[in-house]
Amino acid sequence: GIQVEQSPPDLILQEGANSTLRCNFSDSVNNLQWFHQNPWGQLINLFYIPSGTKQNGRLSATTVATERYSLLYISSSQTTDSGVYFCAVELGSSNTGKLIFGQGTTLQVKP
Amino acid sequence: NAGVMQNPRHLVRRRGQEARLRCSPMKGHSHVYWYRQLPEEGLKFMVYLQKENIIDESGMPKERFSAEFPKEGPSILRIQQVVRGDSAAYFCASSPVVAGSYNEQFFGPGTRLTVL
Repeated sequence: GIQVEQSPPDLILQEGANSTLRCNFSDSVNNLQWFHQNPWGQLINLFYIPSGTKQNGRLSATTVATERYSLLYISSSQTTDSGVYFCAVELGSSNTGKLIFGQGTTLQVKP
Repeated sequence: NAGVMQNPRHLVRRRGQEARLRCSPMKGHSHVYWYRQLPEEGLKFMVYLQKENIIDESGMPKERFSAEFPKEGPSILRIQQVVRGDSAAYFCASSPVVAGSYNEQFFGPGTRLTVL
């Protein structure tokens, strides 16, 4: 079946640093979303990005569907960025929209 | 525009009891998904429903779990005779459409089920 792999699994940053999180997927996909799960467990939508590049404040994302990867960039990190970042994809062959999640990248931003 | 609503946020049950989790999708959304996050595991798809229809239940355990999305009211995920292994966070998501170019899923805050 399709595999969704995220790297790195863990990341520790000093406040103000930049980082890049990666999501590789093994098959064609219809959709791709990035989420942030905050320390309270809530899942926050970051990007809906099946292809192309989007930016929202200090965050931006790029998906290269033909090469089967997506990148999430965090600039000038803040302690509130801490949590787990998930990439989730919908299979290209899917007609139900169900998302397959990667295992996540756990980010800790130190003051 | 209110987001996806889930209740209760926390639910404690003893082994053998029933758990009912509720989800109200975002206004204008008619597609509901349930996902489960077990401790130390990622999020896994359980079931996809439209009004009065189960479309894909390939991720549902074969026994004790059921889901519905009636014509009126919230979607319900029901777990009968709960066991400790059911302890997890259960998330509901909704989207406006499935096929086509726009089917971003929006997630609720989750229900954290603890089975004693």
